[in-house]
Amino acid sequence: AQSVTQPDIHITVSEGASLELRCNYSYGATPYLFWYVQSPGQGLQLLLKYFSGDTLVQGIKGFEAEFKRSQSSFNLRKPSVHWSDAAEYFCAVGAPYSGAGSYQLTFGKGTKLSVIP
Amino acid sequence: DAGITQSPRHKVTETGTPVTLRCHQTENHRYMYWYRQDPGHGLRLIHYSYGVKDTDKGEVSDGYSVSRSKTEDFLLTLESATSSQTSVYFCAISGPGDTGELFFGEGSRLTVL
Repeated sequence: AQSVTQPDIHITVSEGASLELRCNYSYGATPYLFWYVQSPGQGLQLLLKYFSGDTLVQGIKGFEAEFKRSQSSFNLRKPSVHWSDAAEYFCAVGAPYSGAGSYQLTFGKGTKLSVIP
Repeated sequence: DAGITQSPRHKVTETGTPVTLRCHQTENHRYMYWYRQDPGHGLRLIHYSYGVKDTDKGEVSDGYSVSRSKTEDFLLTLESATSSQTSVYFCAISGPGDTGELFFGEGSRLTVL
């Protein structure tokens, strides 16, 4: 079964600083990888996804992520953080789920980002 | 935004009472999911559906049942609510291409006293 580890529970950065959120996954084949963001009291919104091809993927709100197969990682980055980026971020891996023919997502436990003005 | 509506958005109930949460979609997607979100646990899959009357269990299905009589509606039922089921429940639907990409509702906060 697949799994996702987000090593950092809470990260605090200053506005304008760069950001990297770590994500490690466990899956036997090439996975589908996702980053979602959740603002307080809201549902999850897709930031970006990796299915195949270029290992550096661009997402919304200026975020990017890099898939590194050798490290089983899919870290999220942003060069300059804005106060509005304060939220919780979830990494997820999608893998085929037997019995239904669909892909199922397994989520990490999330990293909460705080931004200091 | 994907057309996903959850109801009720907030509910307080007592231990032992039945509770039904409703998820309604206007996207005509085949796959629908119920997740629960708890601090320190992220999102965990309760049940999912791959078509009308076709459902299957997720990793935390004990104490929950689901039904899907129409493409657009997916119901989550707690037959006898317990305090451990206090949580925020999210409905999701799969995006196009069936790659696992999900679109989420805004959540239903359930408190079981």
